[in-house]
Amino acid sequence: RKEVEQDPGPFNVPEGATVAFNCTYSNSASQSFFWYRQDCRKEPKLLMSVYSSGNEDGRFTAQLNRASQYISLLIRDSKLSDSATYLCVVPWPSGGYNKLIFGAGTRLAVHP
Amino acid sequence: DAGVTQSPTHLIKTRGQQVTLRCSPKSGHDTVSWYQQALGQGPQFIFQYYEEEERQRGNFPDRFSGHQFPNYSSELNVNALLLGDSALYLCASSFDLKRERQRALRDTQYFGPGTRLTVL
Repeated sequence: RKEVEQDPGPFNVPEGATVAFNCTYSNSASQSFFWYRQDCRKEPKLLMSVYSSGNEDGRFTAQLNRASQYISLLIRDSKLSDSATYLCVVPWPSGGYNKLIFGAGTRLAVHP
Repeated sequence: DAGVTQSPTHLIKTRGQQVTLRCSPKSGHDTVSWYQQALGQGPQFIFQYYEEEERQRGNFPDRFSGHQFPNYSSELNVNALLLGDSALYLCASSFDLKRERQRALRDTQYFGPGTRLTVL
């Protein structure tokens, strides 16, 4: 099983749609989780962090299910500017420190 | 507040050559991590530096080495370049896990714009 798995997409949705991305991870010791957004040929930028069951920031909601080792990102009222790749990121405990393990990303294309 | 900076932005090398990439962390950060991102993939962890020492490493060969300086900046060196080393190399900075007690800030890494390396 891969350390972090995401649906690669692409998800093609119209403006105003609600879209959800899923991510599963294999290390039950991981405590915190992140969603990063990456535009084409740019660096990843932190979108949201999740430490408990969930987190909400405007149109974005991240949810965590530790029992199922599953994280989701929900985007409501999609905008054209939301078009990007969304990376699920899991800090991997190793020798007292954490390294970030990235999923391969889910591509979102929002069209008019 | 300066963010993470990297240089150069682009680099073209030939097989067998050596390359050095540079990174300056975000102001106040003391930990630097390096990642390799191939086209269509997520970033892959190379290694992390803290207090001028490599404290953990991903699955990369010894051709990949690094260094951290007293001012927390860092270099990534790749020897004997292969075609497969062509990628975007990302540097990320963060607070040390032990020093940062606030859970909201632990593990959060901020990325630089990356260096795009092409090996011909």
